[in-house]
Amino acid sequence: EAQVTQNPRYLITVTGKKLTVTCSQNMNHEYMSWYRQDPGLGLRQIYYSMNVEVTDKGDVPEGYKVSRKEKRNFPLILESPSPNQTSLYFCASSLSVGPIGTQYFGPGTRLTVL
Amino acid sequence: AQSVTQLGSHVSVSEGALVLLRCNYSSSVPPYLFWYVQYPNQGLQLLLKYTTGATLVKGINGFEAEFKKSETSFHLTKPSAHMSDAAEYFCALGGSTLGRLYFGRGTQLTVWP
Repeated sequence: EAQVTQNPRYLITVTGKKLTVTCSQNMNHEYMSWYRQDPGLGLRQIYYSMNVEVTDKGDVPEGYKVSRKEKRNFPLILESPSPNQTSLYFCASSLSVGPIGTQYFGPGTRLTVL
Repeated sequence: AQSVTQLGSHVSVSEGALVLLRCNYSSSVPPYLFWYVQYPNQGLQLLLKYTTGATLVKGINGFEAEFKKSETSFHLTKPSAHMSDAAEYFCALGGSTLGRLYFGRGTQLTVWP
């Protein structure tokens, strides 16, 4: 089944404890992206990747890192999480280079930073 | 600057009534416009998109949207609401920088029986 998977789905952590949210797609998509969703703010793009080893910043990259060493994986790293990073995170992928094509979204990761 | 404004954070309609969700955009280049739907506790799913060509775009589940350049709008409509349409709807804008996508703040649609 074609899908985008994220792990973990739920995570409660404490300030400063490094964490990684994994994202994997099995559709051989070139483009991948991370978003955070906050009530009343919609989705905001954190980072995106046009291809392996190619990443770039979105609207809210501060406090996040990404890497794209393999086509299928695009992990989101929080080196020192803070409470303002409590949010719902979505990974998405698209066959087209860029978001012009249909983006397929993962199920989301709900992160709470205490 | 690229931005998307969704007018009305909450819209309520009766089952069978017209659904109209409003989206206006600001873009310095010809826009690519999208409507996504998010059902409770799920990720987003593409409803429809406008890239070039025909300005009236038909999507899934009976939804359609019309691109109006003069009004910088891309409103989403459905002639007859169904209970299963209750969800949050997001308008999104792309095109200025390859890879960038800008979302509106979302509109929560409630459908009353």
